[in-house]
Amino acid sequence: DAMVIQNPRYQVTQFGKPVTLSCSQTLNHNVMYWYQQKSSQAPKLLFHYYDKDFNNEADTPDNFQSRRPNTSFCFLDIRSPGLGDAAMYLCATSVPLFAKNIQYFGAGTRLSVL
Amino acid sequence: GENVEQHPSTLSVQEGDSAVIKCTYSDSASNYFPWYKQELGKRPQLIIDIRSNVGEKKDQRIAVTLNKTAKHFSLHITETQPEDSAVYFCAASSTGNQFYFGTGTSLTVIP
Repeated sequence: DAMVIQNPRYQVTQFGKPVTLSCSQTLNHNVMYWYQQKSSQAPKLLFHYYDKDFNNEADTPDNFQSRRPNTSFCFLDIRSPGLGDAAMYLCATSVPLFAKNIQYFGAGTRLSVL
Repeated sequence: GENVEQHPSTLSVQEGDSAVIKCTYSDSASNYFPWYKQELGKRPQLIIDIRSNVGEKKDQRIAVTLNKTAKHFSLHITETQPEDSAVYFCAASSTGNQFYFGTGTSLTVIP
């Protein structure tokens, strides 16, 4: 059974039109992450939540926002998508356990910007 | 912040040979080092990990070594098979919950 679920799998939006990607988890993990992965590149951490505490990476553009209304759900909002925002967006969860912090990834949402 | 470097960016080996991928990190506070395998269009999958209090860990054909003093860690795959072909990412994490990924290695195993 899928434990980290991302919807939709594919999203097409227009240049400048706000878009929201969603992620849900059945693991009850404290931490949820959003990564951006462009073709042939490594996942780049955008931000993460530890419970309700939001942690933004210093180089994450202001155009990217996130909401976590409860433990199970986390949303990525892109306020004005540009062509450079086309990428795979990966959600992940983790819970620190025995000094390890194993991440569980969702299948990703591939965003296209027209 | 943490900076993780990974080499080589591409690696081709003959089936049955070994493959080694190396990573270095900059933040001495990093204490957890996972390795992920990512097939085209799929999510990263954790294949092995190591904590900073351990020097080596092995799981069947896969092993990881860690040198804390030199701040580098390596992935070793023995007896490679065509299904090992994928992109491999190393990562480093500290108690701050952030994960920082290396730039990836595209491994091709030639039958």
